[in-house]
Amino acid sequence: AQTVTQSQPEMSVQEAETVTLSCTYDTSESDYYLFWYKQPPSRQMILVIRQEAYKQQNATENRFSVNFQKAAKSFSLKISDSQLGDAAMYFCAYRSALIPAVGANSKLTFGKGITLSVRP
Amino acid sequence: DGGITQSPKYLFRKEGQNVTLSCEQNLNHDAMYWYRQDPGQGLRLIYYSQIVNDFQKGDIAEGYSVSREKKESFPLTVTSAQKNPTAFYLCASSIDRTDTQYFGPGTRLTVL
Repeated sequence: AQTVTQSQPEMSVQEAETVTLSCTYDTSESDYYLFWYKQPPSRQMILVIRQEAYKQQNATENRFSVNFQKAAKSFSLKISDSQLGDAAMYFCAYRSALIPAVGANSKLTFGKGITLSVRP
Repeated sequence: DGGITQSPKYLFRKEGQNVTLSCEQNLNHDAMYWYRQDPGQGLRLIYYSQIVNDFQKGDIAEGYSVSREKKESFPLTVTSAQKNPTAFYLCASSIDRTDTQYFGPGTRLTVL
């Protein structure tokens, strides 16, 4: 079974600075997807960024980028020019890329999350 | 506006009562999911449905039931058999069973 670990429960960053959130995972599969989701105080889960394991290039979305190290099974999220609106819980998640057989599970496996605060 | 809606936002239930949480999407997605979130925890999968009239148990299905009679709707019933139902419940959908999942705003269920 796959596991996702976020070992830092909380982090803090000064507004306009850069912060990196860590995530490691364990899998025996070679093809999979990794995600970072943001959960603000409203509690709706918002997709931040997605990475396909077969792609060597790290994904980027505006101020958000990832450092994907497949051999080390590490998937960190870098937030540049941090803004007050970035304050939220951030969850790392894993999903297999294997095409599920009918009835099989295409679930996301989540880490426990990290609470990011932004200091003005 | 396309999206996923969940209602109600807050729900209170007495012990021993069944309660149904609504999830509707107008994204024309085939697959839908129900997750449970407890404080300090990630999300755990309760049930999922890949297509109308089909659904499968997730990791923590005991005490829950679902139906998928329409493509856009995937209601979750929390039964009296669920030992600890107080939690935040999130519904998600995806184009198909392999694509990225998008989430609704959630329902906070409290058992009194």
